[in-house]
Amino acid sequence: EPEVTQTPSHQVTQMGQEVILRCVPISNHLYFYWYRQILGQKVEFLVSFYNNEISEKSEIFDDQFSVERPDGSNFTLKIRSTKLEDSAMYFCASGDRAPWAQYFGPGTRLLVL
Amino acid sequence: GEDVEQSLFLSVREGDSSVINCTYTDSSSTYLYWYKQEPGAGLQLLTYIFSNMDMKQDQRLTVLLNKKDKHLSLRIADTQTGDSAIYFCAESRDTDKLIFGTGTRLQVFP
Repeated sequence: EPEVTQTPSHQVTQMGQEVILRCVPISNHLYFYWYRQILGQKVEFLVSFYNNEISEKSEIFDDQFSVERPDGSNFTLKIRSTKLEDSAMYFCASGDRAPWAQYFGPGTRLLVL
Repeated sequence: GEDVEQSLFLSVREGDSSVINCTYTDSSSTYLYWYKQEPGAGLQLLTYIFSNMDMKQDQRLTVLLNKKDKHLSLRIADTQTGDSAIYFCAESRDTDKLIFGTGTRLQVFP
């Protein structure tokens, strides 16, 4: 069964450093998403992406965040200058809008020191 | 407002039925979902229901939706130890964004 994959599974970085989280969505999906879950809190929507552009973003997704689909298979989330409060589990998801189901990857646990 | 609430814990005996409840506040929800998260794993889509449906059954899973009370439930028949996990309900409205509940930790004991 096809699945969403994410790399790395864990990342530790210093505050102020840039990180890139990578995702390979399910191959025939056209809609891509990033969510995050701070430890002990709810899963929160960050951004959705379709047709090579952002279709919706949350208040969390400020100028420090960006997303890109650099080729036909990868979908990335970049955090330009990480803060301590960016420490969380980051989930990528993809969907085909039939019927709006989103399939999640295993997550990348980001720790900012 | 955006608020999806769930009870935090549920403990059941193996073989019994589990019922996990969820309440939401926005009546414009279009789809409602149940996701399962096992330790160290991602969110696995279990099932979903469109807001004009009352019930959906999928093998051991039954989803009930009471739109008037904005209440969603997930019943797991013949609960097994492998069902132990955190269960999240989520809703979507007229956008792609999923709004998640707090998650219910289901513990199944022998």
